[in-house]
Amino acid sequence: NAGVTQTPKFQVLKTGQSMTLQCAQDMNHEYMSWYRQDPGMGLRLIHYSVGAGITDQGEVPNGYNVSRSTTEDFPLRLLSAAPSQTSVYFCASSRTTGPNPAEQYFGPGTRLTVT
Amino acid sequence: QQQVKQSPQSLIVQKGGISIINCAYENTAFDYFPWYQQFPGKGPALLIAIRPDVSEKKEGRFTISFNKSAKQFSLHIMDSQPGDSATYFCAASMILGNTGKLIFGQGTTLQVKP
Repeated sequence: NAGVTQTPKFQVLKTGQSMTLQCAQDMNHEYMSWYRQDPGMGLRLIHYSVGAGITDQGEVPNGYNVSRSTTEDFPLRLLSAAPSQTSVYFCASSRTTGPNPAEQYFGPGTRLTVT
Repeated sequence: QQQVKQSPQSLIVQKGGISIINCAYENTAFDYFPWYQQFPGKGPALLIAIRPDVSEKKEGRFTISFNKSAKQFSLHIMDSQPGDSATYFCAASMILGNTGKLIFGQGTTLQVKP
């Protein structure tokens, strides 16, 4: 199993540009989520999904869109990049049933810089 | 509103010492409390987790202590080693009906000096 994969690893955008961060998992997990990590702020939830076709907002959803057309993929779209979106982005997945349904598996992250 | 507060922000411990990181939560509906460990350039990975029906859980050198009445829980790293140097995050979640959505603390950067 590859686990949770994210692409790209690094990205530089200019203000106003759009892009999609890719996330895929091969563990057949129902739950997937996106976090951003900023110094001193911990991990903040952007959007999450409990299954294909179902998404919801987290703590900091503004400026981001998501969709979940398959169980495996959960892309994050930046509509119009702003310097405030400079961050490290992590995708995570987990089961929603079983002994440890909240045990989340994280991808390696995407470091995004917006100039 | 920060639902999970973590302290200290950074911690320096000598090799062989005990590292202690504390977290406090507000929502009494939380029923799953994991700790994640993150090395530089990597994603966080689950280290140890506890449910509120027990007051302590130990796995090797890592122990979670849980105080339900005080709404606090802590991570103790015994015999700390330089390889334990990492950032540690506490988190909280509601298992039932909430699909496992995690709320994280702000993180603690631990440095273990040889």
